[in-house]
Amino acid sequence: DVKVTQSSRYLVKRTGEKVFLECVQDMDHENMFWYRQDPGLGLRLIYFSYDVKMKEKGDIPEGYSVSREKKERFSLILESASTNQTSMYLCASSLLFREREQYFGPGTRLTVT
Amino acid sequence: DQQVKQNSPSLSVQEGRISILNCDYTNSMFDYFLWYKKYPAEGPTFLISISSIKDKNEDGRFTVFLNKSAKHLSLHIVPSQPGDSAVYFCAASAVEYGNKLVFGAGTILRVKS
Repeated sequence: DVKVTQSSRYLVKRTGEKVFLECVQDMDHENMFWYRQDPGLGLRLIYFSYDVKMKEKGDIPEGYSVSREKKERFSLILESASTNQTSMYLCASSLLFREREQYFGPGTRLTVT
Repeated sequence: DQQVKQNSPSLSVQEGRISILNCDYTNSMFDYFLWYKKYPAEGPTFLISISSIKDKNEDGRFTVFLNKSAKHLSLHIVPSQPGDSAVYFCAASAVEYGNKLVFGAGTILRVKS
């Protein structure tokens, strides 16, 4: 069974803080993704990575950065948290080819006050 | 501009009846489609997929139909069960997007017993 874990289920941060969200997968997947889920907007891709130290911007990368130093770990960084980054953050991983389904972690509910 | 649209925010169905969830897309380059199910406080899980070379794919109680000319797909659940109550996301993929998926906003399905 594929397991994708995220470091926190709930997080409350203050405006301007630097925030780190960690994601680890245990199935040796090449691809890893970070999404945010907002009501009425579905899942929107922030960044993804198809290999160690490789990253590509998704649809809404502004205000975020990522790090992938090891194959199993993909970190999302909010450089200076703002209230409009309050959201559910979901990490996913998949095998290399696009026909392979993505496996999601349980999500981190981030509130920025 | 949403390329994948799920125009029904919610759907309520009686247990044992058919649930039909709809999804429309605008990008004719999309050639692979997936449905994900999401329970509260959990990450989405893959349900079923279909390639554009097919018009139907079936897996147990779940069937996905694809109408390429109308740029429309639908997920049929027969018979519906209370455990099917969840948010359902439609997602689409295109070769030009690599391994990225484009998600719809989701439809909340409630199956009443």
